[in-house]
Amino acid sequence: QVQLVESGGGVVQPGRSLRLSCAASGFTFSSFPMHWVRQAPGKGLEWVTNISPDGSDKKYSDSVMGRFTISRDNSKNILYLQMNSLTSEDTAVYLCARYVYTDSSQGLDYWGQGTLVTVSS
Amino acid sequence: EIVLTQSPGTLSLSPGESATLSCRASQTVKRNFLAWYQHKPGQAPRLIIYGASRRATGIPDRFSGSGSGTDFTLTIRRLESEDFAAYYCQQYGTSPYDFGQGTKLDIK
Repeated sequence: QVQLVESGGGVVQPGRSLRLSCAASGFTFSSFPMHWVRQAPGKGLEWVTNISPDGSDKKYSDSVMGRFTISRDNSKNILYLQMNSLTSEDTAVYLCARYVYTDSSQGLDYWGQGTLVTVSS
Repeated sequence: EIVLTQSPGTLSLSPGESATLSCRASQTVKRNFLAWYQHKPGQAPRLIIYGASRRATGIPDRFSGSGSGTDFTLTIRRLESEDFAAYYCQQYGTSPYDFGQGTKLDIK
């Protein structure tokens, strides 16, 4: 069965960096675009970034452009999110999700449970 | 950037009633690439509708999506207790693939 498990969250001081991981299993990871989505406390879902199956195409929201970098290791089935220059506005649960585009399904069809990032001094 | 505006912010209904949730886009959503997600606290979001009107795998036919262009609707008939959750629309046609701010469906 498809599983996505995020890790790497924690408490970090403003201005510091953190790298999140999302371990994928149960599907051919290298065939699917992947996304990061976050949810700040008490807020809604916010799209953050996505990456193409081979890692060559990446897109970012304005709020993280220039600070966050998405990457993937298809040999290890792991998706990454490198987060630099963190601010309190980045405090959120970060979720990875698989994107599918077929005749029978489109969108973010599998999600992880998320990892909490708290930016605080 | 396409801004999605959902309404209402909160919808209070009783089991057995029908819910109508709206999602309005600031620009035409390319190819009606509009999805709806259900999200319960502590759980992963769940894909409900894609392509504006197509039900995702395993979603009961009480859920239906409609609309095109800039105006989209999620309708849930005969509400069951498990349906009370937050619902988000997302357009996946044009980056950034933003979500609406959500509609919280709670029990009256």
